[in-house]
Amino acid sequence: DADVTQTPRNRITKTGKRIMLECSQTKGHDRMYWYRQDPGLGLRLIYYSFDVKDINKGEISDGYSVSRQAQAKFSLSLESAIPNQTALYFCATSDAPGQGIDNEQFFGPGTRLTVL
Amino acid sequence: GEDVEQSLFLSVREGDSSVINCTYTDSSSTYLYWYKQEPGAGLQLLTYIFSNMDMKQDQRLTVLLNKKDKHLSLRIADTQTGDSAIYFCAEKRGSYIPTFGRGTSLIVHP
Repeated sequence: DADVTQTPRNRITKTGKRIMLECSQTKGHDRMYWYRQDPGLGLRLIYYSFDVKDINKGEISDGYSVSRQAQAKFSLSLESAIPNQTALYFCATSDAPGQGIDNEQFFGPGTRLTVL
Repeated sequence: GEDVEQSLFLSVREGDSSVINCTYTDSSSTYLYWYKQEPGAGLQLLTYIFSNMDMKQDQRLTVLLNKKDKHLSLRIADTQTGDSAIYFCAEKRGSYIPTFGRGTSLIVHP
């Protein structure tokens, strides 16, 4: 079974709709991240969380919100989706510093979101 | 990812060596990583190098680090079609969150 799972894998929605993307992990990591990937722009960090009570904005947090419901779950919401939020979204986890390969990130398979 | 620069595409013939280059800006970066993204999948760590090393070799992969020029490269020997993917360079800074480059699409043709 995959260590980091994302649901849904694909979603098509309309402008103005509220969308939630979910991420679950079985790696036991405290740190979780949401990225979006756009062609030619690479990965950009949306939000990250270092533990259940910690939420931090990344470089492109406008239009997004997150919830860290438990150590294993980190969800990303688009309150009112717009077409330029069409992208591939990745969840990732990492262990605390000093554990394993420092700050190696483990990625989910991605959610392809299309906003019409 | 704008502080970590990579070219967007590289095309090589099967059996040749591939060299993917990356430049970064933070001289205090302690770890530098190469991630591989296969079609339809998330990123996966391929290899990494500590900032106090100049070179690391792992089977067909060779990572070279030039700290003076802040230049990192990934060489893949005997490139195969299965190596076709997007390769991301990333640097770790003090915040522990890596900064990713835009990714280089490696295309391997017969």
